[in-house]
Amino acid sequence: DTGVSQNPRHKITKRGQNVTFRCDPISEHNRLYWYRQTLGQGPEFLTYFQNEAQLEKSRLLSDRFSAERPKGSFSTLEIQRTEQGDSAMYLCASSSYSGGSYNEQFFGPGTRLTVL
Amino acid sequence: AQSVTQLGSHVSVSEGALVLLRCNYSSSVPPYLFWYVQYPNQGLQLLLKYTTGATLVKGINGFEAEFKKSETSFHLTKPSAHMSDAAEYFCAVSGATSYDKVIFGPGTSLSVIP
Repeated sequence: DTGVSQNPRHKITKRGQNVTFRCDPISEHNRLYWYRQTLGQGPEFLTYFQNEAQLEKSRLLSDRFSAERPKGSFSTLEIQRTEQGDSAMYLCASSSYSGGSYNEQFFGPGTRLTVL
Repeated sequence: AQSVTQLGSHVSVSEGALVLLRCNYSSSVPPYLFWYVQYPNQGLQLLLKYTTGATLVKGINGFEAEFKKSETSFHLTKPSAHMSDAAEYFCAVSGATSYDKVIFGPGTSLSVIP
């Protein structure tokens, strides 16, 4: 299957620790997005990349959060000095951008983070 | 600014009954509108989308939605509920010029009673 994959699927960490998540998009997709979903809420946009360039960041993405997509393929999302409020599902999506027309975002299964 | 409201965080229907999930949006630009479904421990799957053209759009699994600009609504319907329809449903909006940033509603959890 060549869908969007995310690893790990679950992460439990202690407050103050750093965590890193990985997203592998659909191989021919040049855009990659990160969202955060807390319990009982819809996903909230965090950031997105076109190839290796990070084009937009939400104000939700505090300075403890950093995302990279170094070679325009997989992406990592790192959270430093985790807080209990960071507990959420982190979703990755990818799409194939082609000159302004709409292209569906395909979502991965998410990484569920629990900060104790 | 764009936003989405979904009336009813939980909806229960009997198997075979009509499914109606309500969505209203706010957008300062012509919107693209979406309905996504999320099954437990899975990612989001696109059910249907409205971009331009026909205001009644059909999606997968027998779902459809109608874009009503005057009512700023995009309600999701299915004539006959099936047990497999039980899931979380999210309405979402993006600007036609910046569809990358998709704004999601809070979601509606659908239960189907046998």
